[in-house]
Amino acid sequence: EDKVVQSPLSLVVHEGDTVTLNCSYEVTNFRSLLWYKQEKKAPTFLFMLTSSGIEKKSGRLSSILDKKELFSILNITATQTGDSAVYLCASFAGGTSYGKLTFGQGTILTVHP
Amino acid sequence: NAGVTQTPKFRILKIGQSMTLQCTQDMNHNYMYWYRQDPGMGLKLIYYSVGAGITDKGEVPNGYNVSRSTTEDFPLRLELAAPSQTSVYFCASSYGPTGATGNTIYFGEGSWLTVV
Repeated sequence: EDKVVQSPLSLVVHEGDTVTLNCSYEVTNFRSLLWYKQEKKAPTFLFMLTSSGIEKKSGRLSSILDKKELFSILNITATQTGDSAVYLCASFAGGTSYGKLTFGQGTILTVHP
Repeated sequence: NAGVTQTPKFRILKIGQSMTLQCTQDMNHNYMYWYRQDPGMGLKLIYYSVGAGITDKGEVPNGYNVSRSTTEDFPLRLELAAPSQTSVYFCASSYGPTGATGNTIYFGEGSWLTVV
C-alpha cells in the first residue's frame, strides 16, 4: 500500500523564523510529489516536483525532492502569520486511469506575531 | 472565476438519513473526484470519474454512491448515514490525471458533515 508520512505533525514558530517541513514516501510507480497549502478551506497548489535535486522556488517558499532517499522538504523562510496553515504533501503514482494521489497527514504550522 | 463549487458547506445528519453533496465545475475538466478528510489525516479518495458516464471507486467508497451525467456535475450520495461518515468532504477536478505535468487538481471549498 502506498504511504506518505509528514513530519512534524505540528509546529509553532514566531514571525521571521525559518521552518522545514518533511515528507517521506513509499509509493509504487512514483511519478511526482506535490505540496499544497490548506487554510480553513480548500487545499491550494504550491509545487509539483518530478526530478531529484532541482529546487522549486516561489517567493519565500522552496521545495526539493530526493528520489533516492524518497523524501521531499518544504522550506519557508522569514515566516509570516499568513503562512499559518496545514501543509499537505501528496505523491502521484502512475498505473491507474485517473492518476493516484496519496496524501500525507499534513503539518499544522502556526506562526505567532 | 467559479472553479469548483460544492454545496452545502455545513450539514448535520441523523444516523440513517441520506443526503447528496452537490459538486459542479465550470472549467470543462474531464476528471472529477470526491475526497474525505478526517481530523489529523490526509485526504482519502472516495470516488472518481474520468468523464461523463464513467465513475469508479477510490480507496474508501463504502457507504457512498456517485453519478456523472454531465461533464460539469459530480454529486456524492450518502445512503444511511453513520457517525463514521462525519468528515470534511472535498470535491475536486482536473483536466487530466491528477499530478501529471500540467494537470493541476482544483479543490472545492469543502463540505463539513456531522452525523449524530
